[in-house]
Amino acid sequence: AQKVTQAQTEISVVEKEDVTLDCVYETRDTTYYLFWYKQPPSGELVFLIRRNSFDEQNEISGRYSWNFQKSTSSFNFTITASQVVDSAVYFCALSEESGGSEKLVFGKGMKLTVNP
Amino acid sequence: DSGVTQTPKHLITATGQRVTLRCSPRSGDLSVYWYQQSLDQGLQFLIQYYNGEERAKGNILERFSAQQFPDLHSELNLSSLELGDSALYFCASGGGEQYFGPGTRLTVT
Repeated sequence: AQKVTQAQTEISVVEKEDVTLDCVYETRDTTYYLFWYKQPPSGELVFLIRRNSFDEQNEISGRYSWNFQKSTSSFNFTITASQVVDSAVYFCALSEESGGSEKLVFGKGMKLTVNP
Repeated sequence: DSGVTQTPKHLITATGQRVTLRCSPRSGDLSVYWYQQSLDQGLQFLIQYYNGEERAKGNILERFSAQQFPDLHSELNLSSLELGDSALYFCASGGGEQYFGPGTRLTVT
């Protein structure tokens, strides 16, 4: 069965610090997709990234970067030089394509607070 | 703005009642996914429709049902509501990347 574990439940940092959010997943499939979503205090879920299991290249987008390591079943997310606006709950998710459906299995989320 | 719309934004109702949540997917998306977010269970997949047909089912209670109409909008019907059904209900659309609507916050009193 699929499972996503975000061991950290809450992190508090000071602005400009770098912070890494851990995500470990379990799946039996060889083809799967990994996601990160951001849920700010306003409540909406904002898509950040989708990565397929065959692409282990790290990705950088501005202050955000993602490190995908199949060997350790991890898909970690780093925010560099954090800002107050990064305060949110971050969810890691996994999907397997099964019967044409890519339903998401989410981790429990990690609340990040960035203090000025 | 994800392009996915949901109405209503908030809903307060009593136990035993029935409500309907509505979702319009992004233009061009054929898939609609419904998720429930509660403090107890976290974010859980409920059901997916693709071009009017049910494609996948998750942890959806028998009291809940959904459908997708020819114009691709979808409705999630929740009946015989219980206090434990209070949650944030999201729909998402997309084929691969799933974009979420703003959610409907349901409060059952």
